[in-house]
Amino acid sequence: GAGVSQSPSNKVTEKGKDVELRCDPISGHTALYWYRQSLGQGLEFLIYFQGNSAPDKSGLPSDRFSAERTGGSVSTLTIQRTQQEDSAVYLCASRPGTGPEKLFFGSGTQLSVL
Amino acid sequence: KNEVEQSPQNLTAQEGEFITINCSYSVGISALHWLQQHPGGGIVSLFMLSSGKKKHGRLIATINIQEKHSSLHITASHPRDSAVYICAVRFLQGAQKLVFGQGTRLTINP
Repeated sequence: GAGVSQSPSNKVTEKGKDVELRCDPISGHTALYWYRQSLGQGLEFLIYFQGNSAPDKSGLPSDRFSAERTGGSVSTLTIQRTQQEDSAVYLCASRPGTGPEKLFFGSGTQLSVL
Repeated sequence: KNEVEQSPQNLTAQEGEFITINCSYSVGISALHWLQQHPGGGIVSLFMLSSGKKKHGRLIATINIQEKHSSLHITASHPRDSAVYICAVRFLQGAQKLVFGQGTRLTINP
Protein backbone atom coordinates (compact mmCIF):
# COMPACT_ATOMS: atom_id res chain seq x y z
CA GLY A 1 0.00 0.00 0.00
CA ALA A 2 0.89 3.63 -0.15
CA GLY A 3 1.27 4.14 3.59
CA VAL A 4 1.56 2.39 6.93
CA SER A 5 -1.63 0.51 7.65
CA GLN A 6 -2.85 -0.44 11.12
CA SER A 7 -5.75 -2.59 12.16
CA PRO A 8 -8.13 -2.51 13.80
CA SER A 9 -8.58 1.25 14.03
CA ASN A 10 -10.55 0.80 17.24
CA LYS A 11 -10.60 -2.05 19.74
CA VAL A 12 -12.70 -2.29 22.86
CA THR A 13 -11.94 -5.20 25.15
CA GLU A 14 -12.61 -6.38 28.66
CA LYS A 15 -9.99 -6.35 31.36
CA GLY A 16 -8.08 -9.62 31.37
CA LYS A 17 -8.55 -10.42 27.70
CA ASP A 18 -5.71 -10.67 25.18
CA VAL A 19 -5.56 -8.36 22.17
CA GLU A 20 -3.56 -8.34 18.94
CA LEU A 21 -2.80 -5.18 17.00
CA ARG A 22 -1.51 -5.34 13.46
CA CYS A 23 0.82 -3.10 11.48
CA ASP A 24 1.55 -3.30 7.75
CA PRO A 25 4.56 -1.08 7.05
CA ILE A 26 5.37 0.53 3.74
CA SER A 27 6.70 -2.09 1.36
CA GLY A 28 10.48 -2.30 1.48
CA HIS A 29 10.83 -0.48 4.80
CA THR A 30 13.16 -2.48 6.99
CA ALA A 31 12.69 -0.46 10.18
CA LEU A 32 9.44 -0.69 12.15
CA TYR A 33 8.51 0.93 15.45
CA TRP A 34 5.63 0.60 17.88
CA TYR A 35 4.68 3.52 20.10
CA ARG A 36 1.77 4.30 22.32
CA GLN A 37 0.10 7.50 23.40
CA SER A 38 -2.02 7.49 26.51
CA LEU A 39 -4.71 10.14 26.93
CA GLY A 40 -3.09 13.52 27.48
CA GLN A 41 0.40 12.03 27.42
CA GLY A 42 3.29 12.18 25.00
CA LEU A 43 4.40 9.39 22.72
CA GLU A 44 6.12 6.43 24.36
CA PHE A 45 8.48 4.08 22.54
CA LEU A 46 7.63 0.38 22.87
CA ILE A 47 9.70 -1.72 20.47
CA TYR A 48 11.86 -1.42 17.34
CA PHE A 49 12.51 -3.95 14.57
CA GLN A 50 15.31 -3.60 12.03
CA GLY A 51 15.59 -6.23 9.35
CA ASN A 52 16.59 -9.60 10.77
CA SER A 53 18.30 -8.14 13.84
CA ALA A 54 17.06 -8.86 17.34
CA PRO A 55 14.38 -6.29 18.21
CA ASP A 56 14.96 -3.51 20.72
CA LYS A 57 12.32 -4.32 23.34
CA SER A 58 13.52 -1.83 25.91
CA GLY A 59 10.28 0.18 25.84
CA LEU A 60 7.85 -2.63 26.54
CA PRO A 61 6.19 -1.75 29.87
CA SER A 62 5.70 -5.31 31.14
CA ASP A 63 5.99 -8.96 30.14
CA ARG A 64 2.33 -8.86 29.13
CA PHE A 65 3.45 -7.00 26.02
CA SER A 66 5.13 -8.76 23.12
CA ALA A 67 5.59 -8.13 19.43
CA GLU A 68 6.76 -10.04 16.43
CA ARG A 69 7.50 -9.24 12.85
CA THR A 70 7.05 -12.01 10.35
CA GLY A 71 9.07 -12.11 7.16
CA GLY A 72 10.42 -8.66 7.81
CA SER A 73 7.09 -7.09 6.95
CA VAL A 74 3.87 -7.29 8.97
CA SER A 75 4.14 -6.82 12.71
CA THR A 76 1.77 -7.85 15.48
CA LEU A 77 1.75 -6.31 18.95
CA THR A 78 0.13 -8.58 21.52
CA ILE A 79 -1.07 -7.50 24.92
CA GLN A 80 -1.99 -10.33 27.26
CA ARG A 81 -4.36 -10.02 30.23
CA THR A 82 -5.14 -6.42 29.38
CA GLN A 83 -5.44 -3.84 32.14
CA GLN A 84 -7.26 -0.51 32.13
CA GLU A 85 -3.94 1.35 32.09
CA ASP A 86 -3.22 -0.28 28.72
CA SER A 87 -5.89 1.96 27.17
CA ALA A 88 -4.11 4.18 24.66
CA VAL A 89 -3.56 4.81 20.98
CA TYR A 90 -0.99 2.37 19.66
CA LEU A 91 0.97 3.77 16.74
CA CYS A 92 3.19 2.00 14.26
CA ALA A 93 5.81 3.71 12.15
CA SER A 94 8.25 2.55 9.50
CA ARG A 95 11.22 3.93 7.60
CA PRO A 96 13.41 2.59 4.82
CA GLY A 97 16.51 1.59 6.78
CA THR A 98 18.93 2.49 9.54
CA GLY A 99 20.02 5.82 8.16
CA PRO A 100 18.73 9.30 8.88
CA GLU A 101 15.34 8.98 7.19
CA LYS A 102 11.89 10.29 7.90
CA LEU A 103 9.39 8.17 9.74
CA PHE A 104 6.03 7.27 8.29
CA PHE A 105 3.26 6.76 10.81
CA GLY A 106 0.11 4.70 10.65
CA SER A 107 -3.16 6.15 11.86
CA GLY A 108 -3.05 4.11 15.04
CA THR A 109 -5.26 1.69 16.94
CA GLN A 110 -7.37 3.17 19.73
CA LEU A 111 -7.46 0.51 22.45
CA SER A 112 -10.01 0.82 25.22
CA VAL A 113 -9.90 -1.65 28.10
CA LEU A 114 -13.10 -1.66 30.13
CA LYS B 1 19.55 10.98 31.48
CA ASN B 2 18.24 11.30 27.92
CA GLU B 3 15.64 14.04 27.98
CA VAL B 4 13.79 16.17 25.46
CA GLU B 5 12.15 19.45 26.44
CA GLN B 6 9.83 21.47 24.25
CA SER B 7 8.61 25.02 24.66
CA PRO B 8 6.12 26.49 24.77
CA GLN B 9 3.62 23.79 25.77
CA ASN B 10 0.77 25.81 24.29
CA LEU B 11 0.87 28.59 21.75
CA THR B 12 -2.00 30.65 20.37
CA ALA B 13 -1.41 33.14 17.58
CA GLN B 14 -3.25 35.07 14.91
CA GLU B 15 -3.24 34.05 11.29
CA GLY B 16 -0.19 35.38 9.51
CA GLU B 17 2.10 35.45 12.53
CA PHE B 18 5.58 33.93 12.51
CA ILE B 19 5.69 30.91 14.82
CA THR B 20 8.67 29.41 16.63
CA ILE B 21 8.63 26.17 18.61
CA ASN B 22 11.73 25.11 20.48
CA CYS B 23 13.24 21.78 21.41
CA SER B 24 16.21 21.18 23.70
CA TYR B 25 17.83 17.89 24.52
CA SER B 26 20.27 16.71 27.10
CA VAL B 27 23.03 14.73 25.36
CA GLY B 28 24.39 13.99 21.92
CA ILE B 29 22.01 12.84 19.24
CA SER B 30 22.24 11.17 15.85
CA ALA B 31 18.95 12.55 14.52
CA LEU B 32 16.06 14.83 15.46
CA HIS B 33 12.55 14.59 14.06
CA TRP B 34 9.78 17.16 13.99
CA LEU B 35 6.33 15.59 13.87
CA GLN B 36 2.88 17.07 13.40
CA GLN B 37 -0.09 15.46 15.09
CA HIS B 38 -3.43 16.51 13.68
CA PRO B 39 -6.51 16.99 15.85
CA GLY B 40 -7.78 13.60 14.65
CA GLY B 41 -4.62 11.94 15.97
CA GLY B 42 -2.76 11.17 12.75
CA ILE B 43 0.97 11.87 12.82
CA VAL B 44 3.01 13.21 9.95
CA SER B 45 6.77 13.43 9.93
CA LEU B 46 7.74 16.96 8.91
CA PHE B 47 11.53 16.92 9.07
CA MET B 48 14.44 14.76 10.01
CA LEU B 49 17.58 16.71 10.90
CA SER B 50 21.09 15.80 11.88
CA SER B 51 22.61 19.22 11.19
CA GLY B 52 21.90 22.62 9.69
CA LYS B 53 18.57 23.69 8.35
CA LYS B 54 15.75 22.32 6.23
CA LYS B 55 12.85 24.10 4.56
CA HIS B 56 9.60 22.80 3.17
CA GLY B 57 7.04 25.34 2.05
CA ARG B 58 6.27 27.62 5.00
CA LEU B 59 8.04 25.35 7.47
CA ILE B 60 11.68 25.73 8.46
CA ALA B 61 13.58 23.53 10.90
CA THR B 62 17.00 24.34 12.29
CA ILE B 63 19.31 22.51 14.61
CA ASN B 64 22.36 23.64 16.58
CA ILE B 65 24.30 20.55 17.57
CA GLN B 66 26.68 22.40 19.90
CA GLU B 67 23.83 24.02 21.82
CA LYS B 68 21.67 20.86 21.70
CA HIS B 69 18.73 22.86 20.43
CA SER B 70 16.34 22.80 17.50
CA SER B 71 13.62 25.16 16.36
CA LEU B 72 10.62 24.72 14.12
CA HIS B 73 9.41 27.89 12.43
CA ILE B 74 6.18 28.50 10.57
CA THR B 75 5.96 31.57 8.37
CA ALA B 76 2.63 33.21 7.44
CA SER B 77 0.77 30.88 9.80
CA HIS B 78 -2.70 29.66 8.87
CA PRO B 79 -5.52 28.08 10.88
CA ARG B 80 -4.82 24.75 9.17
CA ASP B 81 -1.41 24.76 10.89
CA SER B 82 -3.23 24.21 14.18
CA ALA B 83 -1.91 20.91 15.54
CA VAL B 84 0.42 19.44 18.12
CA TYR B 85 4.06 19.63 17.09
CA ILE B 86 6.35 17.02 18.57
CA CYS B 87 10.12 16.92 18.71
CA ALA B 88 11.69 13.46 18.87
CA VAL B 89 15.37 12.60 19.08
CA ARG B 90 17.50 9.54 18.59
CA PHE B 91 20.27 9.74 21.15
CA LEU B 92 23.75 8.50 20.33
CA GLN B 93 23.34 6.19 23.31
CA GLY B 94 19.99 4.51 23.00
CA ALA B 95 20.36 2.81 19.64
CA GLN B 96 17.36 3.41 17.42
CA LYS B 97 14.91 4.35 20.15
CA LEU B 98 13.23 7.72 19.75
CA VAL B 99 12.62 9.88 22.81
CA PHE B 100 9.74 12.29 22.44
CA GLY B 101 9.09 15.74 23.79
CA GLN B 102 5.69 16.38 25.31
CA GLY B 103 4.57 18.38 22.30
CA THR B 104 3.50 21.96 21.63
CA ARG B 105 -0.17 22.58 21.01
CA LEU B 106 -0.44 25.32 18.38
CA THR B 107 -3.67 27.16 17.71
CA ILE B 108 -3.87 29.67 14.89
CA ASN B 109 -6.92 31.90 15.01
CA PRO B 110 -8.32 33.45 11.82
